[in-house]
Amino acid sequence: DIQMTQSPSTLSASVGDRVTINCRASENIFEYVAWYQQKPGRAPRLLIYDASTLGSGVPSRFSGSGSETDFTLVITNLQPDDFATYYCQQYDTYFVTFGQGTKVDVK
Amino acid sequence: EVQVLESGGGLVQPGWSLRLSCAASGFNFDNYAMTWVRQAPGKGLQWVAGINGGGDYSYYTDSVKGRFIISRDNSQNTVHLQMNIVRPEDTATYFCAKYARPLTGSTHIDKWGRGTVVTVSS
Repeated sequence: DIQMTQSPSTLSASVGDRVTINCRASENIFEYVAWYQQKPGRAPRLLIYDASTLGSGVPSRFSGSGSETDFTLVITNLQPDDFATYYCQQYDTYFVTFGQGTKVDVK
Repeated sequence: EVQVLESGGGLVQPGWSLRLSCAASGFNFDNYAMTWVRQAPGKGLQWVAGINGGGDYSYYTDSVKGRFIISRDNSQNTVHLQMNIVRPEDTATYFCAKYARPLTGSTHIDKWGRGTVVTVSS
C-alpha cells in the first residue's frame, strides 16, 4: 500500500497566521491527492482534490500544491473556524490511504 | 441534495457479527463507487472497503479482508458492511462515503455520512 506521511502532527497557530501542512507519499502518486478538514464529532469535509483544485464552497484562503511525492496544504489568514484536524488522502489506486492527520490548535 | 446516512452500529461482543447499512440519495447511485472509512476513538481515518457501482467488484484493507463484506443494493440505493468475527480493534466510528467521480473508486470522496459507532467489547 502507498503510505502517506503527514507533518507536523500538531501545529499551534493564531488567527491571521499562514499555516502549512505537508504530506509525503511513499511513491509517485502524480497529483492524486485530496485534503480534508475534520472537526470533533463531525464527518470530514473535502477541501482540495487533484492536489490543487478547491472543493465546492471552500474558501479561497485554502490552497494546495505539489506533485509526485510531496504535497502541501496552505491556509492563509487563519480564521477561528479553521481550528480542526486536517488529513491528506492519496487515490492513485483503489486502495486509498490517509495521512495520520495534523491538528491545528490555538497558540 | 446528495445525502448519505449510516445505521446499524452498536455494542457487539468479540467474535460476533454486525451489519452496517448506508442509505444514499440525491445522485445516480449505480454510477458511483461507494466506500466505508473508519476512525477509532482519538485516531485518524482508515479506509476499510470499497465497491464499484455495479456491485461486482469489492476491495478491502488487509486487516478486514476475509472478515468484512461490502455489498450494495442498487434497487434500494443502499450499501452494507457485514462485519464478521469482530475484534476489539474494530471499535470505531464507521463512515459511509461517496466517491466523487463516476465509474471509479480511484478518486476523492465528496460526500460523507455522519458515521455510526461500533464498539466491540465483552
